[in-house]
Amino acid sequence: QVQVVESGPGLVKPSETVSLTCSVSPSSIVTDHYWGWIRQSPGKGLEWIGNIDYNGKTYYNESLKSRVTLSVDRSSKQVSLRLNSVTAADTAVYYCARVMGDRKLDWFDPWGQGTLVIVSS
Amino acid sequence: DIQVTQSPSSLSASVGDRVTITCRASQKIVNYLNWYQQKPGTAPKLLIYTASSLQSGVPSRFSGSGSGTDFTLTISSLEPEDFATYYCQQSYSFPLTFGGGTKVEI
Repeated sequence: QVQVVESGPGLVKPSETVSLTCSVSPSSIVTDHYWGWIRQSPGKGLEWIGNIDYNGKTYYNESLKSRVTLSVDRSSKQVSLRLNSVTAADTAVYYCARVMGDRKLDWFDPWGQGTLVIVSS
Repeated sequence: DIQVTQSPSSLSASVGDRVTITCRASQKIVNYLNWYQQKPGTAPKLLIYTASSLQSGVPSRFSGSGSGTDFTLTISSLEPEDFATYYCQQSYSFPLTFGGGTKVEI
């Protein structure tokens, strides 16, 4: 059974950079799929951040593209997200999820449990 | 960007009721429409993909239909564990977009 687990610092100061990691079990499947990041602000809906494949091919939401970087660590087979110049508007639960289907932009399954990022001084 | 609009935003129902949630896309998306269920404090869970395919392990009381711009999620007979928020998501083109959610309450 595939498991996805996100991790991150929890609390970040405004204007700083937040780095989140997505660990997948079994890690071998990282090479076979696209992986997506989605966030959900408190009490709000879902916002797609971007997708990445094992070779580093990325697709970003234009609304965040200037501040976000997705990457894959080939040695650890972990997927990462970096978001710079954060503001209170970036406070959200950040989810990592496997992209299923035959294309780079199909449905997400499974999702990780999410990691809460709070932007506050 | 393709906008996906869900309706209603919330509804009240009873156990045993038939519930229908609608998702409308701002342009034709063939059948590239997926449905998720989210319970408080948990991650979304995939229910239906490509409009009408039931995800493995999801009870058969859930069904999806539609194509083009109009799609429907139906719960044939509401169970207590179905009280949750439901989201649709279009996967026709980037940026991927989600509906605003429908909260199903008792």
